[in-house]
Amino acid sequence: AQSVTQPDIHITVSEGASLELRCNYSYGATPYLFWYVQSPGQGLQLLLKYFSGDTLVQGIKGFEAEFKRSQSSFNLRKPSVHWSDAAEYFCAVGPYNTDKLIFGTGTRLQVFP
Amino acid sequence: ETGVTQTPRHLVMGMTNKKSLKCEQHLGHNAMYWYKQSAKKPLELMFVYSLEERVENNSVPSRFSPECPNSSHLFLHLHTLQPEDSALYLCASSQSRGALTDTQYFGPGTRLTVL
Repeated sequence: AQSVTQPDIHITVSEGASLELRCNYSYGATPYLFWYVQSPGQGLQLLLKYFSGDTLVQGIKGFEAEFKRSQSSFNLRKPSVHWSDAAEYFCAVGPYNTDKLIFGTGTRLQVFP
Repeated sequence: ETGVTQTPRHLVMGMTNKKSLKCEQHLGHNAMYWYKQSAKKPLELMFVYSLEERVENNSVPSRFSPECPNSSHLFLHLHTLQPEDSALYLCASSQSRGALTDTQYFGPGTRLTVL
C-alpha cells in the first residue's frame, strides 16, 4: 500500500537559517510527489511537484525539493527561512492516473527571529 | 486567495442537527473534492466529483452526504454526526480528474465541532 512518512512532527529554526523537511514514501513505481503548505486558518497551497525528469524541483517562495529514488525520499529545502514560512508542511504521493493524493501527517515549522 | 471559497468557516452543531457545508470554485474547473483533516492524522479524501458526477466515495459513513449541483458548487450535507467527526473539512478543485498533473486548489476549510 502507498504511504507517506514525515518523520519530524515539529521543527524550529531561526530566521535566516537553512531548512530541510523530510519526506519518505512507499510506492511500487515512481509516484507523483507533492509538497503543500498550510498557513494558520488557510487551506493547502501547492509549493512544488515532481512527475519526471530533473530530480531537483524548484517551487514557489524559494523552496526546492529533490527526488531520490534510491532512498524513496522527496525532501523539501530552503536556503534561508523567513518568519512568514512558519506553517505546516505536507508531503503527498499520487499514484499515476488517479486523483487520490495520499498525504503525510505534516511537519509544523516554527521560525524564531 | 485560491479561487475556492468555503462557507461557513466555523460550525458548531449538536449530534441531532442537520447542517450543510458549501464550497464554490471560481476557476472553471471540472473536478471537485471533499477532504477531512483531523488532528494528528493525514488528510483523508472523502469524495470526488467530476462534471457533477460522483466518481469516488472513499468509504465515508452515510451521515455525510455530498451534492454537486453544477461544476462550480459542492455541498456536504451533515446529519446525526458524532463527536469524532469534528475536524477541518477542506474543499478542493482541479481542471480535471484522473490526472495528477492538474493541480488541486484548496479552499480555507470549515472548522466543524460536533458537541
